[in-house]
Amino acid sequence: DADVTQTPRNRITKTGKRIMLECSQTKGHDRMYWYRQDPGLGLRLIYYSFDVKDINKGEISDGYSVSRQAQAKFSLSLESAIPNQTALYFCATSDLRQGGDTGELFFGEGSRLTVL
Amino acid sequence: GQNIDQPTEMTATEGAIVQINCTYQTSGFNGLFWYQQHAGEAPTFLSYNVLDGLEEKGRFSSFLSRSKGYSYLLLKELQMKDSASYLCAVLDSNYQLIWGAGTKLIIKP
Repeated sequence: DADVTQTPRNRITKTGKRIMLECSQTKGHDRMYWYRQDPGLGLRLIYYSFDVKDINKGEISDGYSVSRQAQAKFSLSLESAIPNQTALYFCATSDLRQGGDTGELFFGEGSRLTVL
Repeated sequence: GQNIDQPTEMTATEGAIVQINCTYQTSGFNGLFWYQQHAGEAPTFLSYNVLDGLEEKGRFSSFLSRSKGYSYLLLKELQMKDSASYLCAVLDSNYQLIWGAGTKLIIKP
């Protein structure tokens, strides 16, 4: 089983619908991230969380919200989806506190979202 | 502003060597990463440089010059499975990762 699991892997929805993407991890990392990836653009950070009580906006948080339900779970919501939110979404984890750790990110397999 | 530049696409021949460059301008520097991403898949970690010089790991090597804001990823003995995008990312002074758009590497037989 993957260390970082995302559900759903693929989703097609309509404009105005509420969508939730879920992420769970078994790595025991405190830090979790949501990124989106669009063709020709780098990964862009939506939200990140350094522990259960710590939520921070990334560079493109408008139109998104998150919930850190537990150390292992971090969900991304689109309250009212719009077509320009069509993208590949990645959840990732890291743990800078580990001795000698570089802050390497461990990614989930991605969730491809299409908003019609 | 913060910026990471890398070529959009490169083509190389199976068995050859290719060098993918990355230049950066960021608010501080706490390390540079290279990730590999096959189409439709998640990025996977290749290398991390925080000090100047060359880090070698099998067929892959990564070089860093902090004074020049420059890094490269060197891939030797190219194989078809190396066809992928290669992402350069810099950890800034706030320990936030700044990502380049990636270099799509096409390997031809």
